[in-house]
Amino acid sequence: QVQLVQSGAEVKKPGASVKVSCKASAYSLTDYYMHWMRQAPGQGLEWVGWMHPKSGGSQSEQKFQGRVAMTWDTSTNTAYVELSGLRSDDTAVYYCARDGVGTSLDFDYWGQGTLVTVSS
Amino acid sequence: QSVLTQPPSVSAAPGQKVTISCSGSSSNIGSDYVSWYQQLPGTAPKLLIYDNYKRPSGIPDRFSGSKSGTSATLGITGLQTGDEADYYCATWDSSLSAVVFGGGTKLTVL
Repeated sequence: QVQLVQSGAEVKKPGASVKVSCKASAYSLTDYYMHWMRQAPGQGLEWVGWMHPKSGGSQSEQKFQGRVAMTWDTSTNTAYVELSGLRSDDTAVYYCARDGVGTSLDFDYWGQGTLVTVSS
Repeated sequence: QSVLTQPPSVSAAPGQKVTISCSGSSSNIGSDYVSWYQQLPGTAPKLLIYDNYKRPSGIPDRFSGSKSGTSATLGITGLQTGDEADYYCATWDSSLSAVVFGGGTKLTVL
C-alpha cells in the first residue's frame, strides 16, 4: 500500500539549514504532485510548496521563496525539502503529502511528519 | 490570519449532527474545489472529502461535504467520541497562486 515515510526529528541553530526527506513506496514519485506543509506547535496547517518530478517543476509559497528548495531522487523514490536561514518561527512539524487523483487538490497520503526545532 | 475562515470550535453530543463552515472568496473557494481533512491529536491529517463532496474509500458516509458560492460545509452525522479532532478545509487560491487552508476547527463531542 502507498506509504510516505519521513526522516527523523532535527534540532538546528538559527541561521542553519535543514533537509527533510520523504520516501514514497508502492507508487512512483513521478506520477503525482507532492506537496509540503508545516504546522507550528499548537497552530494550523501552512502550505510550503509543491513539486512535480515528471515535469521537473516546483513552486513554493511566496514567503519561503529564496529559502526553500524542493528536490527529488527518482532512483530512491524520495522527495526532499530543504529550508535555509532557519529562524525560531520555522519550528514546526513538516509534512509531505501526495496530491491524488481528484479533479483538484486532494492530499490522499501524508507522511508521519518531521519535527524541526530551531533553537540556540 | 488564514485566507479561509472556519469557526475555532464546535461541539455536539454523541449521536448528533454537526456542521463546520469554511468561508473564502472568489479567488479560492469560488473558483476551485474544496477538500477537508481530519487531524486526530498527535497524528498527520487525513483526507475526508475532496472535490467538494467526494469521499475517499474507507471514509464513512457519516461525513459529507458541500459547496455554495464562496463557502463550503463539512457535515458529520451520528457523532462519535472518536470524531474529536481538528478539521481543516483547503483549496487553491488563484490570486495567491498558493494552497490555502482554513485555520482549523476543533470538534468536541460532549
